Amino acid sequence: KAGVTQTPRYLIKTRGQQVTLSCSPISGHRSVSWYQQTPGQGLQFLFEYFSETQRNKGNFPGRFSGRQFSNSRSEMNVSTLELGDSALYLCASSYQGASLEQYFGPGTRLTVT
Amino acid sequence: GIQVEQSPPDLILQEGANSTLRCNFSDSVNNLQWFHQNPWGQLINLFYIPSGTKQNGRLSATTVATERYSLLYISSSQTTDSGVYFCAVVGGGADGLTFGKGTHLIIQP
Repeated sequence: KAGVTQTPRYLIKTRGQQVTLSCSPISGHRSVSWYQQTPGQGLQFLFEYFSETQRNKGNFPGRFSGRQFSNSRSEMNVSTLELGDSALYLCASSYQGASLEQYFGPGTRLTVT
Repeated sequence: GIQVEQSPPDLILQEGANSTLRCNFSDSVNNLQWFHQNPWGQLINLFYIPSGTKQNGRLSATTVATERYSLLYISSSQTTDSGVYFCAVVGGGADGLTFGKGTHLIIQP
């Protein structure tokens, strides 16, 4: 089985712009979660989608949003980028949700200048 | 929310040594996973272990859920074992994984 894939792998944006990241889960997995990793805050949960519905949300501002499509692929959008949004964004998939084993993609490294 | 503490934060060992990494958590958990983060940032699954003991080659893990801790054992360390090891849990509120700050392991030849 192919693993979790994320595109793009690297991205450079300017403050004030918006960005969309994409994640394709493992075939058959219906839950997709997003995480942000920064040197200061470590790894933090952004949100989880299951069957096209946001099921859980972490403590991030409304500039961070996402969606899931009928084929379980997910996108994450960050609007009005700030310098502090520079981070590694990781996507994870699991069969049914957070309580089951989660598998991570390679990540998208976003740099905001 | 649930708190996760990992110890030690840093560990430097010689090749061939054994090591024990600890993860304490503050509440009951539905999920506990150990990961190794490679130099490119990807999290590699080591164990899914909300309770009990598992072994995979030179690595093994034990979670004592009633006492709210988990241990990751690495035997006969190799330089390729270097990197950051994370423990992550999902508490009863079933939000996403809450990660510890990690243990940075350096294996010297």
